[in-house]
Amino acid sequence: EDQVTQSPEALRLQEGESSSLNCSYTVSGLRGLFWYRQDPGKGPEFLFTLYSAGEEKEKERLKATLTKKESFLHITAPKPEDSATYLCAVQAGSNYQLIWGAGTKLIIKP
Amino acid sequence: GAVVSQHPSRVICKSGTSVKIECRSLDFQATTMFWYRQFPKKSLMLMATSNEGSKATYEQGVEKDKFLINHASLTLSTLTVTSAHPEDSSFYICSARDRINSNQPQHFGDGTRLSIL
Repeated sequence: EDQVTQSPEALRLQEGESSSLNCSYTVSGLRGLFWYRQDPGKGPEFLFTLYSAGEEKEKERLKATLTKKESFLHITAPKPEDSATYLCAVQAGSNYQLIWGAGTKLIIKP
Repeated sequence: GAVVSQHPSRVICKSGTSVKIECRSLDFQATTMFWYRQFPKKSLMLMATSNEGSKATYEQGVEKDKFLINHASLTLSTLTVTSAHPEDSSFYICSARDRINSNQPQHFGDGTRLSIL
């Protein structure tokens, strides 16, 4: 069964303290892996798409990487405004729907 | 680019009322739109997929007569919650993508908080 697991469930960091969020997946025929950011009471905001192992994408303090089993979202020197829930989703096989992880709630303390 | 507008952002109404939620793609044509429901502190649960010009495909356990979906044009989809009851209270989010079978990202609206009294 296709599955996407995110860890940790929640992460508290001091401002400036770099860390990584994990998204591990077991799917047949990966078509794409997507990272989104969701603020409370809002819809998810698209961050990155990764299509093949070894691919990396960067945007400001965020960097996403992909292997054959997992993706990492690295956050460098985070600021309080980076606080949000980060969602990972995978598209696989002949079904173009997304399989969603449960998310990681990131809290950056000033 | 790729902006999706969802309206209204919040609805509070009495039990038995039908509620319509609109989802519009503002700067692209969305051949496929998705409707999700999200429970507190949970991830997104796909309710249905609609392709322009055809009937929506509902996920298992979602009542199609309860949640009516109309993909009226390449830029508009609507979700109508018919005869809503308190258990229908939730956060509903739509998303859109510009091709039917595509590995392009979905772009989301800001959601509708539905509260049924």
